[in-house]
Order: sequence, then C-alpha cells, then structure tokens
Amino acid sequence: GAGVSQSPSNKVTEKGKDVELRCDPISGHTALYWYRQRLGQGLEFLIYFQGNSAPDKSGLPSDRFSAERTGESVSTLTIQRTQQEDSAVYLCASSLARGVSTDTQYFGPGTRLTVL
Amino acid sequence: DAKTTQPPSMDCAEGRAANLPCNHSTISGNEYVYWYRQIHSQGPQYIIHGLKNNETNEMASLIITEDRKSSTLILPHATLRDTAVYYCIVRGYGQNFVFGPGTRLSVLP
Repeated sequence: GAGVSQSPSNKVTEKGKDVELRCDPISGHTALYWYRQRLGQGLEFLIYFQGNSAPDKSGLPSDRFSAERTGESVSTLTIQRTQQEDSAVYLCASSLARGVSTDTQYFGPGTRLTVL
Repeated sequence: DAKTTQPPSMDCAEGRAANLPCNHSTISGNEYVYWYRQIHSQGPQYIIHGLKNNETNEMASLIITEDRKSSTLILPHATLRDTAVYYCIVRGYGQNFVFGPGTRLSVLP
C-alpha cells in the first residue's frame, strides 16, 4: 500500500514568513511523529500524536512551532516567523500505535526547508 | 540521549558481508533493538528489530549477544545501494525513538 507522503518536497522561504508542512500517514496508523534533521545531523524528535490523545509536544524547540492532527489523518506542522536556523529536513513518520511492545515507524521522504 | 554507541564510519567491499556493531550496555529487559538506515536525501528506512533472539528478514540479520549488551547488523552481500547511515536504536514500551549519529557505511566497488 501507499507509504507516508509529505508535501511539499522542497520549500524555500524568506526569514520571518510562516510555513506549513503536510504529512499523510499510512492508512490505519494511529501514531504520527515529526522530526527535524539539520544538515549532517541526526534526527531530532519534535512532536508525537496518538489517536485522540493529547500530543507529546516535548520536542518542539520554541513556541513558533506548532502541529495539528485531526483524528488519525493528515497532520500539519506550522513554523511561524521562520528563522535561518529552522532550515532543515522535516521528517514525518507513522506507526500502528506507540502503546505496543513493538512500534515500527515508517518515514516519509521529508520536506527540505530553506530559510533565506 | 541515545542509549547506543556505534562506530562513526565503516567501509565494506561490494559483495562481501557488512557487519555493523552496536553497543547498548544499559539496555533494559523490555527494550527492543531496532535498526534503521538512511540513504542520502531520503527518509529513514526500517530494517529489522529484535528483543533477545537473533532475527533475519529479506534485508538483514540481527545478532544480539546473550547478555543483550551489544548487537550486530549483518548485510550478507553488500551492494553499492547499501551505502547509507545505519542507526541502532534501543526503545522500550511507549518510548520515543532516539536516533544517534549512526554509522556511515560506505560500500566500495
């Protein structure tokens, strides 16, 4: 079946503008994750959604970052007043559920954000 | 912080087995060992995971030591397309995946 999809694949924006990134998880996956990966660095956890539970926002770096997800469908990550340090690849992953012994995450291709 | 330690880089000749080590000396009894890889400019790809027993699938084999303090990912016949960063992750019930820097594997012709 279809994997995790993300859009846009690339986004170039000017400093101070807001951007919205989209993630379509695998159908039936209740858990959804957002990560950030700066050039040459590892993955940095941002936020996690599990069904209708309150999201785990512990990884969001500042209040300029927010994310939404309606039910078990699409999620959007919004970055307000973008800064140059926000330039990175933003990765989305989904899994059947985090509350199981094994929770294999499947990743999308990412959105490469460049803030000029 | 990642609970695992991996060498930063390794080389492997094409067609030979690639053996990627991972130390996880503080692993708890209910924590699984996962391996992912990330090919340049792509999202991470799941490879394999295990708890205690050795595991094998179409991509790789996972060998976990009896004391579970280390493991080895084996790619039996490495190809150029296996060049990637390989991440070893220890994760328990309800925990986040924490990706460390991984091992950059270069498969050489």
